Amino acid sequence: AQSVAQPEDQVNVAEGNPLTVKCTYSVSGNPYLFWYVQYPNRGLQFLLKYITGDNLVKGSYGFEAEFNKSQTSFHLKKPSALVSDSALYFCAVTGGATNKLIFGTGTLLAVQP
Amino acid sequence: NAGVTQTPKFRILKIGQSMTLQCTQDMNHNYMYWYRQDPGMGLKLIYYSVGAGITDKGEVPNGYNVSRSTTEDFPLRLELAAPSQTSVYFCASSPGTGNSPLHFGNGTRLTVT
Repeated sequence: AQSVAQPEDQVNVAEGNPLTVKCTYSVSGNPYLFWYVQYPNRGLQFLLKYITGDNLVKGSYGFEAEFNKSQTSFHLKKPSALVSDSALYFCAVTGGATNKLIFGTGTLLAVQP
Repeated sequence: NAGVTQTPKFRILKIGQSMTLQCTQDMNHNYMYWYRQDPGMGLKLIYYSVGAGITDKGEVPNGYNVSRSTTEDFPLRLELAAPSQTSVYFCASSPGTGNSPLHFGNGTRLTVT
Protein backbone atom coordinates (compact mmCIF):
# COMPACT_ATOMS: atom_id res chain seq x y z
CA ALA A 1 0.00 0.00 0.00
CA GLN A 2 1.22 3.46 -0.75
CA SER A 3 1.87 5.95 2.04
CA VAL A 4 3.50 9.27 2.68
CA ALA A 5 4.98 10.70 5.86
CA GLN A 6 5.64 14.27 6.88
CA PRO A 7 7.64 13.95 10.09
CA GLU A 8 7.30 17.57 11.22
CA ASP A 9 3.99 19.04 12.36
CA GLN A 10 5.47 22.53 12.23
CA VAL A 11 8.53 24.21 10.78
CA ASN A 12 9.61 27.63 11.99
CA VAL A 13 11.98 29.77 9.97
CA ALA A 14 13.00 33.40 9.90
CA GLU A 15 12.21 35.48 6.85
CA GLY A 16 15.08 35.43 4.39
CA ASN A 17 16.43 32.08 5.61
CA PRO A 18 16.22 28.89 3.56
CA LEU A 19 13.43 26.49 4.39
CA THR A 20 12.95 22.74 4.05
CA VAL A 21 9.75 20.78 4.57
CA LYS A 22 10.36 17.04 4.70
CA CYS A 23 8.46 14.22 3.01
CA THR A 24 9.12 10.52 2.64
CA TYR A 25 7.00 8.04 0.71
CA SER A 26 6.32 4.38 0.11
CA VAL A 27 4.81 3.12 -3.13
CA SER A 28 5.15 0.08 -5.32
CA GLY A 29 6.53 0.97 -8.70
CA ASN A 30 7.48 4.43 -9.84
CA PRO A 31 6.02 7.24 -7.73
CA TYR A 32 4.28 10.37 -8.86
CA LEU A 33 4.94 12.96 -6.14
CA PHE A 34 3.23 16.27 -5.47
CA TRP A 35 3.35 19.23 -3.13
CA TYR A 36 0.27 21.29 -2.35
CA VAL A 37 -0.19 24.40 -0.21
CA GLN A 38 -3.26 25.35 1.78
CA TYR A 39 -3.99 28.86 3.00
CA PRO A 40 -6.58 29.41 5.76
CA ASN A 41 -10.17 28.60 4.76
CA ARG A 42 -9.15 27.65 1.24
CA GLY A 43 -8.72 24.48 -0.76
CA LEU A 44 -5.34 23.02 -1.61
CA GLN A 45 -3.32 24.59 -4.42
CA PHE A 46 -0.84 22.67 -6.55
CA LEU A 47 2.81 23.74 -6.13
CA LEU A 48 4.90 21.23 -8.06
CA LYS A 49 5.22 17.61 -9.08
CA TYR A 50 7.79 14.95 -9.89
CA ILE A 51 6.91 12.41 -12.54
CA THR A 52 10.19 11.46 -14.15
CA GLY A 53 13.45 13.01 -15.28
CA ASP A 54 15.47 15.64 -13.42
CA ASN A 55 15.48 15.01 -9.68
CA LEU A 56 15.22 18.73 -8.91
CA VAL A 57 11.79 20.06 -9.69
CA LYS A 58 10.90 23.74 -9.74
CA GLY A 59 7.41 24.99 -8.99
CA SER A 60 5.31 27.99 -8.14
CA TYR A 61 6.32 30.90 -5.86
CA GLY A 62 10.04 30.00 -5.95
CA PHE A 63 9.61 26.57 -4.39
CA GLU A 64 11.54 23.52 -5.51
CA ALA A 65 11.72 19.91 -4.43
CA GLU A 66 14.36 17.23 -4.71
CA PHE A 67 13.45 13.65 -5.50
CA ASN A 68 15.78 11.11 -3.87
CA LYS A 69 14.97 7.57 -4.89
CA SER A 70 17.42 5.84 -2.56
CA GLN A 71 16.05 7.69 0.47
CA THR A 72 12.46 7.65 -0.84
CA SER A 73 12.20 11.34 -0.08
CA PHE A 74 10.78 14.41 -1.78
CA HIS A 75 11.66 17.40 0.39
CA LEU A 76 10.27 20.84 -0.40
CA LYS A 77 12.74 23.73 -0.36
CA LYS A 78 13.00 27.44 -0.90
CA PRO A 79 16.24 29.47 -0.77
CA SER A 80 14.73 32.50 0.96
CA ALA A 81 11.49 32.32 2.96
CA LEU A 82 8.82 35.01 2.91
CA VAL A 83 6.25 35.74 5.61
CA SER A 84 3.60 35.15 2.94
CA ASP A 85 4.86 31.54 2.59
CA SER A 86 3.29 30.77 5.97
CA ALA A 87 0.70 28.08 5.28
CA LEU A 88 -0.02 24.37 5.57
CA TYR A 89 1.95 22.21 3.15
CA PHE A 90 0.96 18.74 2.02
CA CYS A 91 3.02 16.10 0.28
CA ALA A 92 1.12 13.51 -1.77
CA VAL A 93 1.94 10.38 -3.72
CA THR A 94 0.31 8.12 -6.24
CA GLY A 95 1.64 5.15 -8.08
CA GLY A 96 -1.49 3.92 -9.74
CA ALA A 97 -3.59 4.57 -12.78
CA THR A 98 -6.53 6.16 -11.03
CA ASN A 99 -4.70 9.21 -9.70
CA LYS A 100 -5.79 8.34 -6.17
CA LEU A 101 -3.54 10.67 -4.29
CA ILE A 102 -2.51 9.70 -0.77
CA PHE A 103 -1.73 12.75 1.33
CA GLY A 104 0.60 13.26 4.25
CA THR A 105 -0.67 14.79 7.46
CA GLY A 106 0.61 18.23 6.56
CA THR A 107 3.33 20.55 7.89
CA LEU A 108 2.54 24.01 9.12
CA LEU A 109 5.19 26.45 7.94
CA ALA A 110 5.55 29.57 10.06
CA VAL A 111 7.84 32.28 8.74
CA GLN A 112 8.70 34.95 11.29
CA PRO A 113 9.47 38.53 10.19
CA ASN B 1 -13.67 29.44 -15.53
CA ALA B 2 -14.95 29.06 -11.98
CA GLY B 3 -13.00 25.83 -11.47
CA VAL B 4 -14.40 23.58 -8.74
CA THR B 5 -17.36 25.01 -6.84
CA GLN B 6 -18.64 23.56 -3.57
CA THR B 7 -21.86 24.44 -1.76
CA PRO B 8 -22.68 25.12 0.98
CA LYS B 9 -19.60 26.66 2.64
CA PHE B 10 -20.83 25.86 6.14
CA ARG B 11 -23.51 23.60 7.60
CA ILE B 12 -24.60 22.43 11.02
CA LEU B 13 -26.52 19.15 11.20
CA LYS B 14 -28.18 17.33 14.03
CA ILE B 15 -27.36 13.68 14.58
CA GLY B 16 -29.41 11.50 12.23
CA GLN B 17 -30.16 14.22 9.69
CA SER B 18 -29.16 13.86 6.08
CA MET B 19 -27.72 16.27 3.56
CA THR B 20 -26.01 16.50 0.21
CA LEU B 21 -22.78 18.36 -0.38
CA GLN B 22 -22.72 19.75 -3.87
CA CYS B 23 -19.70 19.86 -6.16
CA THR B 24 -19.52 21.05 -9.73
CA GLN B 25 -16.61 21.73 -12.08
CA ASP B 26 -16.51 23.55 -15.41
CA MET B 27 -13.17 22.25 -16.69
CA ASN B 28 -14.58 19.13 -18.37
CA HIS B 29 -12.45 16.94 -16.12
CA ASN B 30 -13.20 13.24 -16.13
CA TYR B 31 -11.84 12.50 -12.66
CA MET B 32 -13.48 13.80 -9.51
CA TYR B 33 -12.79 13.14 -5.83
CA TRP B 34 -14.16 13.75 -2.36
CA TYR B 35 -11.76 14.15 0.54
CA ARG B 36 -12.29 14.94 4.19
CA GLN B 37 -9.76 16.88 6.22
CA ASP B 38 -9.43 16.43 9.95
CA PRO B 39 -6.84 18.26 12.12
CA GLY B 40 -3.53 16.42 12.20
CA MET B 41 -4.84 13.71 9.89
CA GLY B 42 -4.27 15.18 6.46
CA LEU B 43 -6.78 14.42 3.74
CA LYS B 44 -8.56 11.09 3.45
CA LEU B 45 -10.19 9.96 0.21
CA ILE B 46 -13.89 9.17 0.62
CA TYR B 47 -15.02 8.39 -2.95
CA TYR B 48 -13.81 9.06 -6.44
CA SER B 49 -15.10 8.86 -9.98
CA VAL B 50 -13.25 8.32 -13.26
CA GLY B 51 -16.16 9.43 -15.42
CA ALA B 52 -19.91 9.84 -15.60
CA GLY B 53 -21.68 6.76 -14.29
CA ILE B 54 -18.56 5.33 -12.60
CA THR B 55 -17.76 5.68 -8.90
CA ASP B 56 -15.56 3.80 -6.46
CA LYS B 57 -14.72 3.78 -2.78
CA GLY B 58 -11.69 5.46 -1.30
CA GLU B 59 -10.11 5.01 2.11
CA VAL B 60 -13.05 6.11 4.30
CA PRO B 61 -16.36 5.54 2.45
CA ASN B 62 -18.55 4.38 5.35
CA GLY B 63 -21.51 6.68 6.01
CA TYR B 64 -21.34 8.35 2.60
CA ASN B 65 -22.72 7.85 -0.89
CA VAL B 66 -21.99 9.48 -4.23
CA SER B 67 -23.38 9.60 -7.72
CA ARG B 68 -21.96 10.87 -11.02
CA SER B 69 -24.74 11.37 -13.54
CA THR B 70 -22.90 14.10 -15.45
CA THR B 71 -19.27 15.03 -16.05
CA GLU B 72 -19.74 18.31 -14.19
CA ASP B 73 -21.40 17.21 -10.95
CA PHE B 74 -20.30 14.89 -8.15
CA PRO B 75 -22.55 15.25 -5.08
CA LEU B 76 -21.72 13.61 -1.75
CA ARG B 77 -24.61 12.31 0.33
CA LEU B 78 -24.64 11.83 4.11
CA GLU B 79 -27.67 9.72 5.05
CA LEU B 80 -27.53 9.54 8.86
CA ALA B 81 -25.18 12.19 10.15
CA ALA B 82 -22.93 11.25 13.06
CA PRO B 83 -20.55 13.40 15.16
CA SER B 84 -17.63 11.50 13.58
CA GLN B 85 -18.54 13.13 10.29
CA THR B 86 -17.73 16.58 11.61
CA SER B 87 -14.98 17.64 9.23
CA VAL B 88 -14.04 19.86 6.33
CA TYR B 89 -14.94 18.28 3.01
CA PHE B 90 -13.08 19.01 -0.21
CA CYS B 91 -14.08 18.15 -3.72
CA ALA B 92 -11.39 17.96 -6.40
CA SER B 93 -11.11 17.20 -10.08
CA SER B 94 -8.39 16.34 -12.57
CA PRO B 95 -8.25 15.79 -16.31
CA GLY B 96 -6.63 12.38 -16.18
CA THR B 97 -4.44 9.90 -14.45
CA GLY B 98 -1.13 9.82 -12.66
CA ASN B 99 0.66 13.05 -13.38
CA SER B 100 -2.34 15.39 -13.47
CA PRO B 101 -2.57 17.77 -10.50
CA LEU B 102 -5.86 17.98 -8.66
CA HIS B 103 -7.93 21.15 -8.68
CA PHE B 104 -9.65 21.71 -5.33
CA GLY B 105 -12.76 23.54 -4.29
CA ASN B 106 -12.73 25.78 -1.21
CA GLY B 107 -14.37 23.22 1.01
CA THR B 108 -17.53 22.68 3.07
CA ARG B 109 -17.20 22.89 6.85
CA LEU B 110 -19.69 20.48 8.40
CA THR B 111 -20.52 20.20 12.09
CA VAL B 112 -22.72 17.39 13.41
CA THR B 113 -24.09 17.91 16.93
